[in-house]
Amino acid sequence: AQSVTQLGSHVSVSEGALVLLRCNYSSSVPPYLFWYVQYPNQGLQLLLKYTSAATLVKGINGFEAEFKKSETSFHLTKPSAHMSDAAEYFCAVSGPGGGNKLTFGTGTQLKVEL
Amino acid sequence: NAGVTQTPKFRVLKTGQSMTLLCAQDMNHEYMYWYRQDPGMGLRLIHYSVGEGTTAKGEVPDGYNVSRLKKQNFLLGLESAAPSQTSVYFCASHGSVGTEEQYFGPGTRLTVT
Repeated sequence: AQSVTQLGSHVSVSEGALVLLRCNYSSSVPPYLFWYVQYPNQGLQLLLKYTSAATLVKGINGFEAEFKKSETSFHLTKPSAHMSDAAEYFCAVSGPGGGNKLTFGTGTQLKVEL
Repeated sequence: NAGVTQTPKFRVLKTGQSMTLLCAQDMNHEYMYWYRQDPGMGLRLIHYSVGEGTTAKGEVPDGYNVSRLKKQNFLLGLESAAPSQTSVYFCASHGSVGTEEQYFGPGTRLTVT
């Protein structure tokens, strides 16, 4: 079965600082990996996805993530945090081992301070 | 193009009452999903559908039923609500390619007292 672990349920950074949100996955076959963002009282919005093409994936709002098979990781980064980045971030894994169903991590709440 | 819509946005039920949540998508998507979101637990899959007329159980199906009579709609039913079903419910959909992202609705906040 596939699973996702997000280290750190809460992360706090200063505005302008590096954002690093950690995600490790468990999958017996090469997975598809996704990062979603959820702003307060809203649904989830896709930030970026890895589907076995380039290992460094660029997404919206300046975020990017690198797929590292040797480390089974897909960490999300942004060079310079902005106040508008404050939200909850979810890492998720899907097929081909698990079909099209997404398995989500427990989420990381990002706080951006002045 | 409204994407994925959910009705209602908020609902309060008493224990034992029933209700149906409606999810509608206008993207002609084959796959539709119902999740519940609880603090510290991420999103957990309740039921899903791979096409009109099909349904399947997800990770936490107990206490819920679903129907997909029309391709664009996916209904989630609670026959006898319990306080443990207090949650935020999200519907999502995607097309037939496994690498496609899921598109999420805005959610329904349900409280069972």
